Amino acid sequence: EAQVTQNPRYLITVTGKKLTVTCSQNMNHEYMSWYRQDPGLGLRQIYYSMNVEVTDKGDVPEGYKVSRKEKRNFPLILESPSPNQTSLYFCASSSYPGQNYEQYFGPGTRLTVT
Amino acid sequence: GDSVTQMEGPVTLSEEAFLTINCTYTATGYPSLFWYVQYPGEGLQLLLKATKADDKGSNKGFEATYRKETTSFHLEKGSVQVSDSAVYFCALIRDSGYALNFGKGTSLLVTP
Repeated sequence: EAQVTQNPRYLITVTGKKLTVTCSQNMNHEYMSWYRQDPGLGLRQIYYSMNVEVTDKGDVPEGYKVSRKEKRNFPLILESPSPNQTSLYFCASSSYPGQNYEQYFGPGTRLTVT
Repeated sequence: GDSVTQMEGPVTLSEEAFLTINCTYTATGYPSLFWYVQYPGEGLQLLLKATKADDKGSNKGFEATYRKETTSFHLEKGSVQVSDSAVYFCALIRDSGYALNFGKGTSLLVTP
C-alpha cells in the first residue's frame, strides 16, 4: 500500500530536549516536505527536499532541521524544542513538484513541548 | 504572495442537506487548485483538484469548479452524510511547485 508514515504519532517532551520525528514514504517520490498545522493558521511549510541531499527552507524553518540521506526518509529534527513548537506536524511527498502532482500526506505527529 | 481564503467554520448541517464551502484565491498566475479533507485523527487526503480555468474537479459526490473570473473554487455537495464530517482545506500550489498554500480550514459537522 502506497503511504507516508510518521513516527511517533504523539509526543510530549520538555523544553530543550532534542527530538526527531521520522517520515518515510514507499512510493519512490523525489519530493518531500514538512508542514505544521496550528489552529486558525492552517498548514505552513517548514522545509522541503527535492531529492537526496537537496533541501530548502519553507515559510517557517526557524528552530527546525532536516536531512535527506535516503530517498525514502525525511526526518524532522528539533535541536532545542520550545513551547511555541507545540503543533501538529505533517510530512508529505510527491512524485515531482509541480502543478499537477498530488502531494500525499502522512497521518500527523502531535507534539507538545512543556 | 499567493493566498487562499476560505469561509470560517464550524459548519453544522443535517444529513442530506446541501453543502457549500466558499474558497477564493489570490495569485499572480493560474495555479492548480485543490480541496483536501482531514477526517478526525487522520492526515490530509486529496479530495479533488482542478488544474485550469473552468475545470471541474469531482470525487465522492463533491464538486468544485475553477472560476477565473471570480477567483473562486467553492466546494459543493448535494446531499451530505454523517461520514462527511471532517475539516476541509482549500489550497493552491505555488508557481515553484514546491509548496501548497492552504486556507485555514473549515470544520464540517453533519448530524443525523
